[in-house]
Amino acid sequence: LAKTTQPISMDSYEGQEVNITCSHNNIATNDYITWYQQFPSQGPRFIIQGYKTKVTNEVASLFIPADRKSSTLSLPRVSLSDTAVYYCLVGDNNNAGNMLTFGGGTRLMVKP
Amino acid sequence: DAGITQSPRHKVTETGTPVTLRCHQTENHRYMYWYRQDPGHGLRLIHYSYGVKDTDKGEVSDGYSVSRSKTEDFLLTLESATSSQTSVYFCAIKWTSGANEQFFGPGTRLTVL
Repeated sequence: LAKTTQPISMDSYEGQEVNITCSHNNIATNDYITWYQQFPSQGPRFIIQGYKTKVTNEVASLFIPADRKSSTLSLPRVSLSDTAVYYCLVGDNNNAGNMLTFGGGTRLMVKP
Repeated sequence: DAGITQSPRHKVTETGTPVTLRCHQTENHRYMYWYRQDPGHGLRLIHYSYGVKDTDKGEVSDGYSVSRSKTEDFLLTLESATSSQTSVYFCAIKWTSGANEQFFGPGTRLTVL
């Protein structure tokens, strides 16, 4: 499983756009990039997943450059409720075991 | 929350006692997972199951066993609990084998004294 590296923490203010970048230099051809969000005392929650270029849903956008060695999660106009830990994962969608490897994540603090 | 429940939600036990945690799903999903989460380590996979009676080890399986006799239940057992197993345990399910999207339960906070 490809290892990921992301910042330990980030601060932002309400209404700003937040971009969290994740490095995955050893990503394999079949690997997808997935992001999860976790609030205190809760299990992680799936946010978004992509393979290349750009993916957007109602919560976030995911930007993946052509070499796929990094990805950027973009949260538009964050609010206090977006304060959470964000995990970047890389894994093979066709892996029956689907052993997701969670790193330490990025702790996002949104301030008023 | 994709119909996942965990029981108990909190448990305090003593070193050397057996402990069983239960994960129950109502969605009939094939894949189920047990993770533990400790400060500074993110989530680590303990065991997973890809069907009734079909299980396999994850990253940190030592000291743990699992069983899945029914699709809806995935049990995690600590045969003889140790203080190093004090952690928050999360169960997760996955829709199909073709996606990295897992749905997590609310977690069980286990303290081993």
